[in-house]
Amino acid sequence: KQEVTQIPAALSVPEGENLVLNCSFTDSAIYNLQWFRQDPGKGLTSLLLIQSSQREQTSGRLNASLDKSSGRSTLYIAASQPGDSATYLCAVHDRDDKIIFGKGTRLHILP
Amino acid sequence: GAVVSQHPSRVICKSGTSVKIECRSLDFQATTMFWYRQFPKQSLMLMATSNEGSKATYEQGVEKDKFLINHASLTLSTLTVTSAHPEDSSFYICRVRGADYGYTFGSGTRLTVV
Repeated sequence: KQEVTQIPAALSVPEGENLVLNCSFTDSAIYNLQWFRQDPGKGLTSLLLIQSSQREQTSGRLNASLDKSSGRSTLYIAASQPGDSATYLCAVHDRDDKIIFGKGTRLHILP
Repeated sequence: GAVVSQHPSRVICKSGTSVKIECRSLDFQATTMFWYRQFPKQSLMLMATSNEGSKATYEQGVEKDKFLINHASLTLSTLTVTSAHPEDSSFYICRVRGADYGYTFGSGTRLTVV
């Protein structure tokens, strides 16, 4: 059974710092991996999607990497801003078309 | 394209009543719809999968008689929480898969049972 773990559960960093969020998954037979942002009481905003054949994806200040063989992904946020404060969810899409989410990392950027 | 509308965004209901949540694909036909719930500080957990015109498939531990899913058309699926109790208070969100196997999430529904 696929399990997705995100570390740390919560993170506070001063504005301007670069940071890394970690995600690990137990079954490497995935279709893709996706990072989402969730604001309190809101739905999901897709940030980056990495296909199983890819190693990384970049969008603006965000870079996500995928090492499928080791079951790991990282989300790198450069030059963090207070508006980046949110919960970041990692989700793997398995070949049965199920999406399994981690519990998320609650990020707080200190002004 | 690939717009999904989920309503209501928030609902407060009394214990013992039923609540219906709608998930509608606006510009594409949804072959499959998935329903998730998220308790505070927890993962989004898949509750059930529904295909148009057939019965939903529920995940282990999800009561099918309590969480009624209807997927009567290619653009609409509904989740009804029957006889809601405070422990059903959660964030419910749908995921819609189109014929091209792309998918889109709804905006979610925050249910509070008092």
